[in-house]
Amino acid sequence: DAKTTQPPSMDCAEGRAANLPCNHSTISGNEYVYWYRQIHSQGPQYIIHGLKNNETNEMASLIITEDRKSSTLILPHATLRDTAVYYCIVTLPQGGSEKLVFGKGTKLTVNP
Amino acid sequence: EADIYQTPRYLVIGTGKKITLECSQTMGHDKMYWYQQDPGMELHLIHYSYGVNSTEKGDLSSESTVSRIRTEHFPLTLESARPSHTSQYLCASSASWNTGELFFGEGSRLTVL
Repeated sequence: DAKTTQPPSMDCAEGRAANLPCNHSTISGNEYVYWYRQIHSQGPQYIIHGLKNNETNEMASLIITEDRKSSTLILPHATLRDTAVYYCIVTLPQGGSEKLVFGKGTKLTVNP
Repeated sequence: EADIYQTPRYLVIGTGKKITLECSQTMGHDKMYWYQQDPGMELHLIHYSYGVNSTEKGDLSSESTVSRIRTEHFPLTLESARPSHTSQYLCASSASWNTGELFFGEGSRLTVL
């Protein structure tokens, strides 16, 4: 039973913002939303995580809806190097990553 | 900057051989993990460890075994490799207080002929 739902693929023009959605309607009150990306068979890379407030770091912004049932990862100025599979994961920070299910993710293609 | 290393990066080996994939991290993380991923497919957790002398099987059944004798080291062994073991194996670690943030190695791509 998947805890998150993501579109299988998205396209974005280079230099434009990429907005990647994720539905997590069964998220519990103390679970966080984590985002990773995997560039062509490399090991996945952590991007950002949040509980209920919007978060921003040097890589991306995370917008979580007020009811916490969905979130959006924003890459403000996508580059060709952002082409990757993006995974949205819901988990407890102290829960043990044996519960970290990566799923199929969204394959983002950034076009020149 | 993550400091987790896997060797070898690529390995081509014949059926029946014993292989060990090495994974080391210098971050002092208690928790370490092995994932298996076929090309274009999802990652599947095959082994994890909470610390020295602790090993557990993950969601995907695997014929491989692991050991955790030292905190920094989490090797994976296949006693008798078969073509069905051909895959990419990814090692990761995390701090106990933030197990949602995994640090991954670059992977070991195994091909068994």
